[in-house]
Amino acid sequence: DTAVSQTPKYLVTQMGNDKSIKCEQNLGHDTMYWYKQDSKKFLKIMFSYNNKELIINETVPNRFSPKSPDKAHLNLHINSLELGDSAVYFCASSPVGSGLWNEQFFGPGTRLTVL
Amino acid sequence: AQSVTQLGSHVSVSEGALVLLRCNYSSSVPPYLFWYVQYPNQGLQLLLKYTTGATLVKGINGFEAEFKKSETSFHLTKPSAHMSDAAEYFCAVSQISGGGADGLTFGKGTHLIIQP
Repeated sequence: DTAVSQTPKYLVTQMGNDKSIKCEQNLGHDTMYWYKQDSKKFLKIMFSYNNKELIINETVPNRFSPKSPDKAHLNLHINSLELGDSAVYFCASSPVGSGLWNEQFFGPGTRLTVL
Repeated sequence: AQSVTQLGSHVSVSEGALVLLRCNYSSSVPPYLFWYVQYPNQGLQLLLKYTTGATLVKGINGFEAEFKKSETSFHLTKPSAHMSDAAEYFCAVSQISGGGADGLTFGKGTHLIIQP
């Protein structure tokens, strides 16, 4: 009955590889997000998707691409991984438009380590 | 543009003492304000939020926060700290855009340490 789930929880890979992180929410929310938390625990939004439409792209390198096959999923694809991509990536969802704007529910995070 | 400043990257209190975590925000429009807690190796959990209405907001685990527009502050308090409160706390701000799907702008977090 997990509300927002992410897989994998840990991801260790080599520089230059391409990887994906999956996110699923079973809350029926309209909008999903990806955040990056760096080694100093600073959280910054990367993307949001509303009804399969990209709403925000906060100057993230184009090596990062969100893909939403349906309203319940927002996957994060990363090409040509770099050392600086090492971080914890959080998925979140929000019932935008229902009067509960911007109350976001977070997944458990995926710790990505690039060697 | 909006921003959040959390004073003190680390706050240490004794068990049973008052907890006060400071948050100041900057926003060009009336903000929505949030406090999230992150326990080690876990995701973020919403503690409380201010959207409209009463400026004193009560949250989970005995925490509360007061929105003070004149001071652009949203400080988090708890009367009596418990060992289980040790965690990272994040203040965040959001504002309604035309699409309503804004992300949150977070402060840099405050690590709360509880001393026995």
